[in-house]
Amino acid sequence: ETGVTQTPRHLVMGMTNKKSLKCEQHLGHNAMYWYKQSAKKPLELMFVYSLEERVENNSVPSRFSPECPNSSHLFLHLHTLQPEDSALYLCASSQTGTGENTIYFGEGSWLTVV
Amino acid sequence: GQNIDQPTEMTATEGAIVQINCTYQTSGFNGLFWYQQHAGEAPTFLSYNVLDGLEEKGRFSSFLSRSKGYSYLLLKELQMKDSASYLCAVRGTGGSYIPTFGRGTSLIVHP
Repeated sequence: ETGVTQTPRHLVMGMTNKKSLKCEQHLGHNAMYWYKQSAKKPLELMFVYSLEERVENNSVPSRFSPECPNSSHLFLHLHTLQPEDSALYLCASSQTGTGENTIYFGEGSWLTVV
Repeated sequence: GQNIDQPTEMTATEGAIVQINCTYQTSGFNGLFWYQQHAGEAPTFLSYNVLDGLEEKGRFSSFLSRSKGYSYLLLKELQMKDSASYLCAVRGTGGSYIPTFGRGTSLIVHP
């Protein structure tokens, strides 16, 4: 069991659906992240929320929309996705401002777009 | 930009020692991380190096040479459960605290 929990663990959705991924961290960290992991590719950073500031990868399509209501919760809203968006979506957290700033990951949400 | 290179796949025998290399080219350097990821699971933190030299943690050790842009993860007394993907991640300077991940090395341990 990790300090970062994600739900749902598995999600199948149609291209016209709207769904959300949820993440909660219990580590007292001040930064939260969404990563995308596809087969044979490096982890791709999608969004970061740190101290209420949002950083985003400009290559992420607008059909992905993050929301961070507080430092412990993070959502990824999904709308009109494409089959190529099928991947493992990892939430993570870290404590910035320290030397190490190690990132700790949740177990991921497997998304299949049909 | 940042470029991180590690072998795609390695195989080793149970009980042996294996070294997984990572080379990087970054805009400055502010730390290197190794993670282990079993199939279908989250990456878990293994080690962090920011200064040159060897950091040992039980069966796992991580080495860093900043001048060479090189690190390795050394796994001793391999066990079947060590079969996993090993991710190298490097943090540059320039104000970003966010590391860039390599593609990972898939390690297969066989009896």
